[in-house]
Amino acid sequence: EAAVTQSPRSKVAVTGGKVTLSCHQTNNHDYMYWYRQDTGHGLRLIHYSYVADSTEKGDIPDGYKASRPSQENFSLILELASLSQTAVYFCASSVPGQESQNTLYFGAGTRLSVL
Amino acid sequence: GEKVEQHESTLSVREGDSAVINCTYTDTASSYFPWYKQEAGKSLHFVIDIRSNVDRKQSQRLTVLLDKKAKRFSLHITATQPEDSAIYFCAARSSSGSWQLIFGSGTQLTVMP
Repeated sequence: EAAVTQSPRSKVAVTGGKVTLSCHQTNNHDYMYWYRQDTGHGLRLIHYSYVADSTEKGDIPDGYKASRPSQENFSLILELASLSQTAVYFCASSVPGQESQNTLYFGAGTRLSVL
Repeated sequence: GEKVEQHESTLSVREGDSAVINCTYTDTASSYFPWYKQEAGKSLHFVIDIRSNVDRKQSQRLTVLLDKKAKRFSLHITATQPEDSAIYFCAARSSSGSWQLIFGSGTQLTVMP
C-alpha cells in the first residue's frame, strides 16, 4: 500500500516564527502536493512538485515556500508564521496522467496552531 | 479557474437508508471527478471516481452519477452503515489547462443507528 508520512503530527508555533512541515513518500510517485484544510473550505492546494528540485505554486501559495530535495521528500516552509496559517496540512502524492486514476494518497495530516 | 461547490455541509440519515451528496462544477472541460472520504481524526482516502465519458459508475453500495449538461455530479450511498459516517469530499479535474484537483468543501455524513 502507498505510504505518505508527515511530521510532525501536530505543532504549536509562535507568530513570526519559522515552521517546517515534512513529508516523505515511499510510493515512488513523481508528484507531491501540500494542501491546507480549513473548516468550511475543504482542501486548498498550496504548492506541488512533479520532479525533484522543482516546485510549483498552487492556489494559495502566499506565505508558504516549498522544497523538494528528492523524489521522496517534500517540505512546506512557513518563514514567518501567522495566526491565519492555523490549519490542518495534508501532504499527498500521485502519478497523474491521462490514463491513470490520478488517485491522491494522503498523509495523516499535521495540525498546526499558530499563537 | 475551476470551482467545485458541495451543496450539503451536513447530512444525517438513518442506518439502512440511502444518502446522496451533490456537487456542481464550473469548468466545462473538467473530465475527472473523484470522491474522497475522511473518517473522524483520520486522513482522506479515495473511494470512487467517474470520468466524463460515462454518466454512471457503481462500486458495491456506492454510485456516482454525472450530468455534464448541468455540470453536476453526485455520490449515492445505499444501505448506509455507521461506518459510512465521515466527511466526503468531491473534486474535479480539468482536461485542459491546469490538471490539478479542485476540492469541494466537504459534507459531514452521519449515519444514525
